[in-house]
Amino acid sequence: KAGVTQTPRYLIKTRGQQVTLSCSPISGHRSVSWYQQTPGQGLQFLFEYFSETQRNKGNFPGRFSGRQFSNSRSEMNVSTLELGDSALYLCASSRAVGQGNTEAFFGQGTRLTVV
Amino acid sequence: AQSVSQHNHHVILSEAASLELGCNYSYGGTVNLFWYVQYPGQHLQLLLKYFSGDPLVKGIKGFEAEFIKSKFSFNLRKPSVQWSDTAEYFCAVNAGTNAGKSTFGDGTTLTVKP
Repeated sequence: KAGVTQTPRYLIKTRGQQVTLSCSPISGHRSVSWYQQTPGQGLQFLFEYFSETQRNKGNFPGRFSGRQFSNSRSEMNVSTLELGDSALYLCASSRAVGQGNTEAFFGQGTRLTVV
Repeated sequence: AQSVSQHNHHVILSEAASLELGCNYSYGGTVNLFWYVQYPGQHLQLLLKYFSGDPLVKGIKGFEAEFIKSKFSFNLRKPSVQWSDTAEYFCAVNAGTNAGKSTFGDGTTLTVKP
């Protein structure tokens, strides 16, 4: 079965621009979470969506936002890009929220470089 | 709030040496615990997980981990490492009723010398 698919794989943007990243979860998975991975900060939780609703949110500024569609696909958007937003953005899907007994399956990530 | 601490940032071993990577977490309730591995150029993959039951869990590629509740620890072990185990290892925790938000440790880079 297909894994978590993230597009695009690589992006180069200029400061001040905005960017939209896409994630298609594993079929049947309704929970999609987003993480930012940087060498200095490790993996930082951004937000999580389930049934088109944001269920959890990390400590990121409002420039970071997301949404989930009825087919569970998710997008995240970063507006007014800053150099510090350069990172690998990871999407993870899991079967359900609330049961606690399910692991996350990760995509390959989108490497965002802000210049 | 949950937090995860991995004690070793970089570990260098020779092939056939034994491995133990430390992981401690901070959370007062029921937790689910995971170890993920990220091989160079690849995505994060699950090595093993603990939800309940036997505190000694076995994962893929000969890895195992022991959950010690009294110490809030979930250390990863492998009796004999191989060159192919060179990777970054992440310990993660999520709350028993909130599987969608995981907290990760900073990661441990393991380098195995042939």
